[in-house]
Amino acid sequence: EVQLVESGGGLVQPGGSLRLSCAASGFTFSSYWISWVRQAPGKGLEWVANIKSDGSETYYVDSVKGRFIISRDNAMDSLYLQMNTLRAEDTAVYYCARDQGAAKGDYWGQGTLVTVSS
Amino acid sequence: AIQMTQSPSSLSASTGDRVTITCRASQGIRSYLAWYQQQPGKAPKLLIYLASSLQSGVPSRFSGSGSGTDFTLTISSLQSEDFGTYYCQQYYSYPRTFGQGTKLEIK
Repeated sequence: EVQLVESGGGLVQPGGSLRLSCAASGFTFSSYWISWVRQAPGKGLEWVANIKSDGSETYYVDSVKGRFIISRDNAMDSLYLQMNTLRAEDTAVYYCARDQGAAKGDYWGQGTLVTVSS
Repeated sequence: AIQMTQSPSSLSASTGDRVTITCRASQGIRSYLAWYQQQPGKAPKLLIYLASSLQSGVPSRFSGSGSGTDFTLTISSLQSEDFGTYYCQQYYSYPRTFGQGTKLEIK
C-alpha cells in the first residue's frame, strides 16, 4: 500500500526555521517526482515545490524561492522541505504528493500543520 | 504564472443532478490539467488528469473535458458522497497553479 507520512510541523516564530519530512512506503520512491503542496487555514491549495526522482531538478513557487529548499534521500525513502525565514503567510497544512507520470498527485499524505506566529 | 479561474465558487445540488464545474486558464495549457476533490479535514484526491483521463478507482460518473484554456468537470449523477471542494490545477508550466476551488453542497 502506498503511504506518504508527513512530520515536523509545529509552532515557530516569524523569521525562524523548520524542516518538514515526508516518509514514503509501498512503492519505489526513487522512481517518482514528489511535490509539496500547502493549504492555509480555510483557504485553497497552493503548490510549493517539487523534485525530480533523482533529485537533479527542483522547482519552486516564487513566494518561497530563496527561503525553502526541497530535497530527498532515496536511500531513506524520504522527502524534505527546509523552510527558513518563515513568515506568518507560510502558516498552512503542508502535504507531500506523488506524481505518477501525467497523474500529478495520485497519492497524498495526511498533512502536517505549520504555524508561524509570535 | 498561469492563473486558473473556476466557476462557480460554490453550488448546491440534489442527488441525481448533473453538475458541471468550469476552469479557465489565463493562457493555453494544452491538456495539462487535473481535477481534485477535497473533503473537510482530508487530503485532496485526484479525480482526472490530462483533462479527461479518469484516475484509477474514481467512479465513472466523473468526467473531464477541454483543452487550451477552457475545461469542465462533470458529475453525471450526483451522489451524497460527492460533497466537498473541487480544484483544478494546471501543470503545463511552473509554477503549477490551482484554481480557487468550487465548494459543492448536497441539498
